[in-house]
Amino acid sequence: DAKTTQPPSMDCAEGRAANLPCNHSTISGNEYVYWYRQIHSQGPQYIIHGLKNNETNEMASLIITEDRKSSTLILPHATLRDTAVYYCIVRVGGPYNTDKLIFGTGTRLQVFP
Amino acid sequence: GAVVSQHPSWVICKSGTSVKIECRSLDFQATTMFWYRQFPKQSLMLMATSNEGSKATYEQGVEKDKFLINHASLTLSTLTVTSAHPEDSSFYICSADRTLFGPGTRLLVL
Repeated sequence: DAKTTQPPSMDCAEGRAANLPCNHSTISGNEYVYWYRQIHSQGPQYIIHGLKNNETNEMASLIITEDRKSSTLILPHATLRDTAVYYCIVRVGGPYNTDKLIFGTGTRLQVFP
Repeated sequence: GAVVSQHPSWVICKSGTSVKIECRSLDFQATTMFWYRQFPKQSLMLMATSNEGSKATYEQGVEKDKFLINHASLTLSTLTVTSAHPEDSSFYICSADRTLFGPGTRLLVL
């Protein structure tokens, strides 16, 4: 499976867009990019996933570069409740695939007032 | 909608006792569930894959005799920490697929 690299921490002002990068330069053609977040003392929360195209849902937008070697998760208007650890995972198969996920160390996003 | 629940949400036990953690799929059936463990300030570590009606698949380094997993129905998987010790104190999380995770169970072994 492709390895991902994320910055260990980022800050963002409340109300601003939070742009979280993820590098996955060894991604293969059938691997999806998944994003999750974990708020302190809670289970992980699925945010979004994509294969090639950019994706948007009610939580965030996912921008995948044309060569698919990196992606950016965008929280358009960050709030204090978005403070969490964000994980980028690359894995074969769609969202209902029952193959295991391996979590890296993620990016700790701190949203400040 | 589909939800994964865990029970209990937290448990404190004495060293040497066994603790059972339940993971339930609500409004859907899960033939496969995953168990993770998370120590403070660390990432989630996959412990095992639970398969309904068959033996669980454990990750390297996870003692299968210490962490007993039973997936007897399509809506329930259980993780039993046998003879718990303080080093087993951790946050245990289950998931049913790539979009559904339980809220976690915090175990403190005294």
